[in-house]
Amino acid sequence: DAGVIQSPRHEVTEMGQEVTLRCKPISGHDYLFWYRQTMMRGLELLIYFNNNVPIDDSGMPEDRFSAKMPNASFSTLKIQPSEPRDSAVYFCASSLAGDRGMYEQYFGPGTRLTVT
Amino acid sequence: AQSVTQLDSQVPVFEEAPVELRCNYSSSVSVYLFWYVQYPNQGLQLLLKYLSGSTLVKGINGFEAEFNKSQTSFHLRKPSVHISDTAEYFCAVRGYSSASKIIFGSGTRLSIRP
Repeated sequence: DAGVIQSPRHEVTEMGQEVTLRCKPISGHDYLFWYRQTMMRGLELLIYFNNNVPIDDSGMPEDRFSAKMPNASFSTLKIQPSEPRDSAVYFCASSLAGDRGMYEQYFGPGTRLTVT
Repeated sequence: AQSVTQLDSQVPVFEEAPVELRCNYSSSVSVYLFWYVQYPNQGLQLLLKYLSGSTLVKGINGFEAEFNKSQTSFHLRKPSVHISDTAEYFCAVRGYSSASKIIFGSGTRLSIRP
């Protein structure tokens, strides 16, 4: 398997613009996660899905952030409008489900977002 | 709910020296434990995991960790580090409940000096 695929790998945009990050999880995985990583705040869980349904979005910082998973092989994280403080590396991860919930997560390479 | 504490934000060591990265967790229920490694400009990848059974877990790249239930710890060790081990290491915990999610620590940056 190719692993978790994220695009784009780098995104530079101006404040106020809409940004869409994309993720393709590992085939057959039941869970999909979106994380944000910054020097100041470390690794933060934004939202996660189980079988395409959002389960916990308590980490989404503001209404400017939204995430969708229209099918088992694709998810998007959208920021509209973007602000400089959104600059970070955004990771997507996926995992299988077992008898006791999710197993270990497999991370994508990340999207480095810079908002100027 | 679970939480995890990585006591050291940075650990500098000399090449070929042993290293221990500390991790303590808090939970009212039984847990699964993980160590992930993040090399520069890459995503996190699983180093090792403890699900059940033997408390000494061996992972990739010569790393191992020991689950100590009485001390609620899961410290990561390597007897002899290499320059290529320079990375950030994250400890993570998850409760047994099917509704539990994985909670990550704040990370420990391991820097290897030649």
